[in-house]
Amino acid sequence: GAVVSQHPSRVICKSGTSVKIECRSLDFQATTMFWYRQFPKKSLMLMATSNEGSKATYEQGVEKDKFLINHASLTLSTLTVTSAHPEDSSFYICSARHWRDRQETQYFGPGTRLLVL
Amino acid sequence: DAKTTQPPSMDCAEGRAANLPCNHSTISGNEYVYWYRQIHSQGPQYIIHGLKNNETNEMASLIITEDRKSSTLILPHATLRDTAVYYCIVRTQGGSEKLVFGKGTKLTVNP
Repeated sequence: GAVVSQHPSRVICKSGTSVKIECRSLDFQATTMFWYRQFPKKSLMLMATSNEGSKATYEQGVEKDKFLINHASLTLSTLTVTSAHPEDSSFYICSARHWRDRQETQYFGPGTRLLVL
Repeated sequence: DAKTTQPPSMDCAEGRAANLPCNHSTISGNEYVYWYRQIHSQGPQYIIHGLKNNETNEMASLIITEDRKSSTLILPHATLRDTAVYYCIVRTQGGSEKLVFGKGTKLTVNP
């Protein structure tokens, strides 16, 4: 399967600071990537769809000014959590849309665990 | 809302086949059945997907009923590393279609 990486895997920051998380498709190009968050013992919740070269599409209830998404190339999308607060502590996961033989699959990164103190 | 129904948990003995059911009675003709799993503290892992024919790959087999209202994911020889939450997701491909994760089935493989 295709490989998606995330960096960093774990980050601890102080309240009020901003944190950037990178999502890379390593062996394929992805015009569309997705960002999810997951709270303990809960399922993944889609935050936004990241489109290469255009603005991201946010799900209802997700603050676009707080969660900045940039998809500047076909292999990289970034999520910046601005002015982070303890309630932003969560597991953030990205995925990338992959096409082969007219079949679509999303491949996920390993996730980034954010802890805001 | 997820369009699928899965049992919340299942147990399986190591070395035996694990059969995970999924109901998707409202599936549309152009919707695929996807299976993912998530091992604790990791990102979801793609397993397999299909439209109407049964599918097999190196990880698992997917059996879809003729009316497409249900399916079964089969792990032929479960190992302890297969312990995870398994998600059955129904969706079309491409466009603005999203992966909507339900609660999944927590599969525990016991030694």
